[in-house]
Amino acid sequence: AQSVTQPDIHITVSEGASLELRCNYSYGATPYLFWYVQSPGQGLQLLLKYFSGDTLVQGIKGFEAEFKRSQSSFNLRKPSVHWSDAAEYFCAVGSWGKLQFGAGTQVVVTP
Amino acid sequence: DAGVIQSPRHEVTEMGQEVTLRCKPISGHNSLFWYRQTMMRGLELLIYFNNNVPIDDSGMPEDRFSAKMPNASFSTLKIQPSEPRDSAVYFCASSIKSGTSQETQYFGPGTRLLVL
Repeated sequence: AQSVTQPDIHITVSEGASLELRCNYSYGATPYLFWYVQSPGQGLQLLLKYFSGDTLVQGIKGFEAEFKRSQSSFNLRKPSVHWSDAAEYFCAVGSWGKLQFGAGTQVVVTP
Repeated sequence: DAGVIQSPRHEVTEMGQEVTLRCKPISGHNSLFWYRQTMMRGLELLIYFNNNVPIDDSGMPEDRFSAKMPNASFSTLKIQPSEPRDSAVYFCASSIKSGTSQETQYFGPGTRLLVL
């Protein structure tokens, strides 16, 4: 059975500091991997996705993620966080349209 | 370019009433998904359609929930009768499925449902 684990429920980071959000998955085949962001009261916006090819993928808003097959991980990173990055971040894995979402990581940005 | 459109954005109803949520997918997309988001269970896939046909409804909680997609530009999720535990945010998403490729899902803004 497929599953997605986001080990950190809540992360607090200072503005300008780097951010890394962890995502581990369990899947029977090579999955499609996604990171979405949700601001309060809003829908989910796609940050980036990995289907195949280069394991380091660039997304919007300065985010990037690295697919590591050996570790079954797809961690999200940003070198310098802005106050507007405060939101909830979801990792998702799947194929054939069925996505399994992680529980989400709430990111708080302090001045 | 319009994204996924959902209506209503907010719905407050009383237990036992029928609730209908509506979704208009992105034009040209042939797959449509209904999700439910709660604090306790996170994001759950309820049902998805491909070319207007329900493909997997294993996530639909019980018979009180039903979903239809009469054409490529419209879908409904109905709850009858509604119960307080149905209170959640319901998201609709759409994507393009072509051959063996399933592209990215684009989400609507959601409908926040409160059942009293």
